[in-house]
Amino acid sequence: SQKIEQNSEALNIQEGKTATLTCNYTNYSPAYLQWYRQDPGRGPVFLLLIRENEKEKRKERLKVTFDTTLKQSLFHITASQPADSATYLCALVWYGQNFVFGPGTRLSVLP
Amino acid sequence: DAGITQSPRHKVTETGTPVTLRCHQTENHRYMYWYRQDPGHGLRLIHYSYGVKDTDKGEVSDGYSVSRSKTEDFLLTLESATSSQTSVYFCAISESPSGGKTDTQYFGPGTRLTVL
Repeated sequence: SQKIEQNSEALNIQEGKTATLTCNYTNYSPAYLQWYRQDPGRGPVFLLLIRENEKEKRKERLKVTFDTTLKQSLFHITASQPADSATYLCALVWYGQNFVFGPGTRLSVLP
Repeated sequence: DAGITQSPRHKVTETGTPVTLRCHQTENHRYMYWYRQDPGHGLRLIHYSYGVKDTDKGEVSDGYSVSRSKTEDFLLTLESATSSQTSVYFCAISESPSGGKTDTQYFGPGTRLTVL
């Protein structure tokens, strides 16, 4: 079965720096890879989607890359702010199958 | 939360009692999902529905049953709650009305269930 790993359980960075979160998977590549943000006590919120034939996607200060050779996605938040502090989940989707979520990385942006 | 409500939001119950969690959507979307979230495991799919009376099992379905008699409501039942079912439960719907398994998901606010 597929296994998904997200870098460390928690990541602390200084305000203004770029946060980089990783999502690694085993076996065959998904059709889609999505990133969600989850704040304490709330449900996950969709941020970005990248398809298997796309290398990079951007949305404002967010950037996602997808490397099917490395079986890895990187999620970058540039010019990070304390308000970016949250848990970030990656979700992998294969055609005809349900989502598989990673365990998440808790990001803390320190002022 | 994209027109998704869950009830109750918090519940404490005792081992062996039945528990039903409700998910209600105002979007009229076809696909609905129940997940549980536990530390270190992320979100795991319990059951999902692709239409009225159409449901299927997910990764961790043992001990749970679901029903969907109306498009807008998806019920999750723990027939006899156990301490291992203490968790936070999230309902989700597909982004588009006829969206399938690969569609982006919108999540409800969650239900925190404690089984003593």
